[in-house]
Amino acid sequence: KQEVTQIPAALSVPEGENLVLNCSFTDSAIYNLQWFRQDPGKGLTSLLLIQSSQREQTSGRLNASLDKSSGRSTLYIAASQPGDSATYLCEVAGNKLTFGGGTRVLVKP
Amino acid sequence: NAGVTQTPKFQVLKTGQSMTLQCAQDMNHEYMSWYRQDPGMGLRLIHYSVGAGITDQGEVPNGYNVSRSTTEDFPLRLLSAAPSQTSVYFCASSSLNPRASTDTQYFGPGTRLTVL
Repeated sequence: KQEVTQIPAALSVPEGENLVLNCSFTDSAIYNLQWFRQDPGKGLTSLLLIQSSQREQTSGRLNASLDKSSGRSTLYIAASQPGDSATYLCEVAGNKLTFGGGTRVLVKP
Repeated sequence: NAGVTQTPKFQVLKTGQSMTLQCAQDMNHEYMSWYRQDPGMGLRLIHYSVGAGITDQGEVPNGYNVSRSTTEDFPLRLLSAAPSQTSVYFCASSSLNPRASTDTQYFGPGTRLTVL
């Protein structure tokens, strides 16, 4: 059974610092991995999707890497802003779709 | 496009009551799914559908029924509500099965359900 873990569960950084969010998974037989953002009381918004054959994806200040052999993905957010405050979830698409528990991020002005 | 819409946004039920959570999408997506989100547990798949007339169980299907009579609508029915079903419910859609494509899932705003 695929297990997806996101550590830490919560993170607080001052504005301008780079954010590093981690996602680990136990079964490397995956189709893709996706990072989502969730604002309080809202649904999920897709940020980046990495296919299993890819090593990374970039969009603006966001960069996501994927290392299937070690069962890890990392989401980097450069020069964080207060508007980046949200919960970030990773989703692993393998035999089933499995979400991590999320990392709650607070960027302090 | 309205995207994925869900009604109601909030609901309080008594144990044993039944209700239907509504989900609709206007993107002509074939794939739709229902998740529940509980604190610290991420999202768990309840049921999904790969097209009108076709549904299947996800990870936590017990106590829930679904049907897919049209491409646009995918209602979730709670047959006899229990306190363990207190959660936030999300509906999602995508053009193809997200396990096998580059297409992302689009999520609705959620329904917050409390069962007393």
